[in-house]
Amino acid sequence: DVKVTQSSRYLVKRTGEKVFLECVQDMDHENMFWYRQDPGLGLRLIYFSYDVKMKEKGDIPEGYSVSREKKERFSLILESASTNQTSMYLCASSGAGMLNEQFFGPGTRLTVL
Amino acid sequence: AQTVTQSQPEMSVQEAETVTLSCTYDTSESDYYLFWYKQPPSRQMILVIRQEAYKQQNATENRFSVNFQKAAKSFSLKISDSQLGDAAMYFCAYRRELGLYAGNNRKLIWGLGTSLAVNP
Repeated sequence: DVKVTQSSRYLVKRTGEKVFLECVQDMDHENMFWYRQDPGLGLRLIYFSYDVKMKEKGDIPEGYSVSREKKERFSLILESASTNQTSMYLCASSGAGMLNEQFFGPGTRLTVL
Repeated sequence: AQTVTQSQPEMSVQEAETVTLSCTYDTSESDYYLFWYKQPPSRQMILVIRQEAYKQQNATENRFSVNFQKAAKSFSLKISDSQLGDAAMYFCAYRRELGLYAGNNRKLIWGLGTSLAVNP
């Protein structure tokens, strides 16, 4: 059974802290994605990666960075967390095929105080 | 730039009835892919159904089917015999045909979602 896991379901951090959100997939997928989901705004792409060490900015990359050192792992980093980064963060992965769907993790609800 | 519009933020349906969720998109591409995803409350997003634009036949998955109107750029989702477990947020998404330098082609363009309630 395919699986995308995220390191935490709930996370509470303080303003200015460095935050790491980790995502691991076990499907040998080339592509991995980080989204944030906010009510009324749908899913917004932060960054994605189509290969190890490769990354591309999504629609809202400001305040975030990513790391993909291994194919199965894609990390989202908030260098200095701010209250406006309180959100639900979703990780997804997909294979290289054109019709391949994205498989999602359970999400991390991050609260920045 | 491509956009995806879901004009119904919220909908409701009686159990066992049929409901149709609308999705329109804007693109100048001729080859692309369309998806409907479902996100149940506090649960993971999963794919419901997908459609290749070059296929005229509408995709069907059990009680879920689409009405794909390429000329009208419309991709609605029909849920037949609605069940309580169908209550969820439904998202429509678009992806262009992948090219040589896929880059941003890999990403999905998402609608804002439709929240579906199923009444017993």
